[in-house]
Parts: sequence; structure tokens; C-alpha cells
Amino acid sequence: RKEVEQDPGPFNVPEGATVAFNCTYSNSASQSFFWYRQDCRKEPKLLMSVYSSGNEDGRFTAQLNRASQYISLLIRDSKLSDSATYLCVVKRGGFKTIFGAGTRLFVKA
Amino acid sequence: DGGITQSPKYLFRKEGQNVTLSCEQNLNHDAMYWYRQDPGQGLRLIYYSQIVNDFQKGDIAEGYSVSREKKESFPLTVTSAQKNPTAFYLCASSPGTSGSAEQFFGPGTRLTVL
Repeated sequence: RKEVEQDPGPFNVPEGATVAFNCTYSNSASQSFFWYRQDCRKEPKLLMSVYSSGNEDGRFTAQLNRASQYISLLIRDSKLSDSATYLCVVKRGGFKTIFGAGTRLFVKA
Repeated sequence: DGGITQSPKYLFRKEGQNVTLSCEQNLNHDAMYWYRQDPGQGLRLIYYSQIVNDFQKGDIAEGYSVSREKKESFPLTVTSAQKNPTAFYLCASSPGTSGSAEQFFGPGTRLTVL
């Protein structure tokens, strides 16, 4: 079993839709959580950190459930430019960083 | 502009040859990392360095070597001992020495072994 697991998708949604991704992690000692976005053949870029209380950045909302060991990302009012792969990232402390394989999103007009 | 640069963008190598990938950052970050990404897989850590003249093996260090002689530079050598080197290589850096901060990535180098 992978330490960080994501549904690979792809998720195909129309513009304006709301879409949610989940990510599960297996190590309860995990301390920091992030969502990164990766465009095709490009480097990953930080989308947002994930805090225990949940956090929002514009159309994006991230939630953390430590008891169930999962992280979620909600995208409201999807735009064509949201099409990308979304990587769930978990840090255990120190420099050990685990990247999920990513969830692909296609937003269509 | 502050950032991370990697060169070259594309690299072709014959089997049996060593090759060095460059990574430079001007963000004044203490920590630097090398990852490998294969299609459909997450990034896997090759090596990381917390401070100058110190580096640690990641999950897949076999067949790779690094050096950290300067804070801003962290080159990766892919040796002939690496069995399947064709991949997308990403360098990253993060501020501080605790490792808890988010990482910033360079544009990557695509290595193809012919």
C-alpha cells in the first residue's frame, strides 16, 4: 500500500462545476500537508497548505481529517485554466516528503 | 527574479555514460532536494541537503551522486550504475533547516537514455 494515495482520475467536468479530490495517508505521524498543482510536462507548484481547521483560498478549499487520515481539495466554479494534475503532499517531519501520484482534472467548455 | 534554474531542459545520453544535471537557486534557501518523476507516479526523493557540505540519501539514491559545495548549487550526477535513468528530474529548495516548509521547484530536466 502506498503511503499517500489519490484517485488518479481523470475527472472530466464542465466549466462552472464543483469538483472534490480526496487523498489518504497511512502514517499517523504525518505533520504537514499540502496541495500542489502540476501542469503537463511542468514542475509542481504549491497551490495551498492544508491546516487542521481547514482553509480557503478563493475558489479552493482544503480540509484535513486527522482521525480518518485524509485530506480533501474542493474547487468551486471550475475554470478551463484549472485543468492540471493535483498532487497531495504529506510531510512526516524532518525532510521526509511523500508525494501522491496525482489526480488529473480536465475542465471543458 | 528569485528562483530555481535547472539545465539542460532536455538531455540525451548513451548507455554507460555518466551525466550531471545542474540546479541553482538564488532564494537563499538552506535545503535542496532532487526528485525523479516517472509517468503515472509520484515524485520520489533521490537526495536532499540541509546545509552546505552535507547531504542525505533519499528513497532511491542508488546510481546517483550529489555534491553541495555552495549554498546555491546542488548538482546531481546520474551514473552508469543507475539501471533505468530515463525520467523527469526535478530539483527543489525550501527555506530553513527544519524541513517543514513548502518546497519550490525548478523547471526540471528530461533525461533520455538512448
